[in-house]
Amino acid sequence: GDSVTQMEGPVTLSEEACLTINCTYTATGYPSLFWYVQYPGEGLQLLLKATKADDKGSNKGFEATYRKETTSFHLEKGSVQVSDSAVYFCALILQAGTALIFGKGTTLSVSS
Amino acid sequence: GAVVSQHPSRVICKSGTSVKIECRSLDFQATTMFWYRQFPKQSLMLMATSNEGSKATYEQGVEKDKFLINHASLTLSTLTVTSAHPEDSSFYICSADSGTSSYNEQFFGPGTRLTVL
Repeated sequence: GDSVTQMEGPVTLSEEACLTINCTYTATGYPSLFWYVQYPGEGLQLLLKATKADDKGSNKGFEATYRKETTSFHLEKGSVQVSDSAVYFCALILQAGTALIFGKGTTLSVSS
Repeated sequence: GAVVSQHPSRVICKSGTSVKIECRSLDFQATTMFWYRQFPKQSLMLMATSNEGSKATYEQGVEKDKFLINHASLTLSTLTVTSAHPEDSSFYICSADSGTSSYNEQFFGPGTRLTVL
């Protein structure tokens, strides 16, 4: 079935380090892809999205490119901040009106 | 942007009581709403999908008689945890789909922390 696999955490980085969180997917159709972020004790916030192959989503210094050939949507940031500490979820959706399919989440901890 | 609210944000109740959680789309009409449950340090588990005016579709393993979902209007869905027990303690999150986004985007509520004593 359709699924999302993302690297297990926790990921621990020093401030200003580079970040990559890997995400790959399996889907029968052509999904839209998302990264969501969850800060402690809060709900999910959409971080970025991409709807077709080669699209690049970006927001707050984070980027991810929809790679159809490798079925991947890796999250990257060139210089992380302490405030980026959160849980990051990769997700896909195949069509409107259906639920998002989430990866298991990756915890990022950034220290100063 | 589209806003989804949940109420209450936190609730503590005694075992055996029922708790209702509301999910509202504040500035758009939600044709479909989803209810998720999240255990500590884990991902979101889809509980059910609700469409306005029809019965909710529950995921396998979710007791529909225990988790009652009502989607009475295009802006409101409710989840009632009946006869709550400590194992029902969790973080419950709803999301809403307007059905109009070209990105198939869903909008999430801030979540409700349920603690059953």
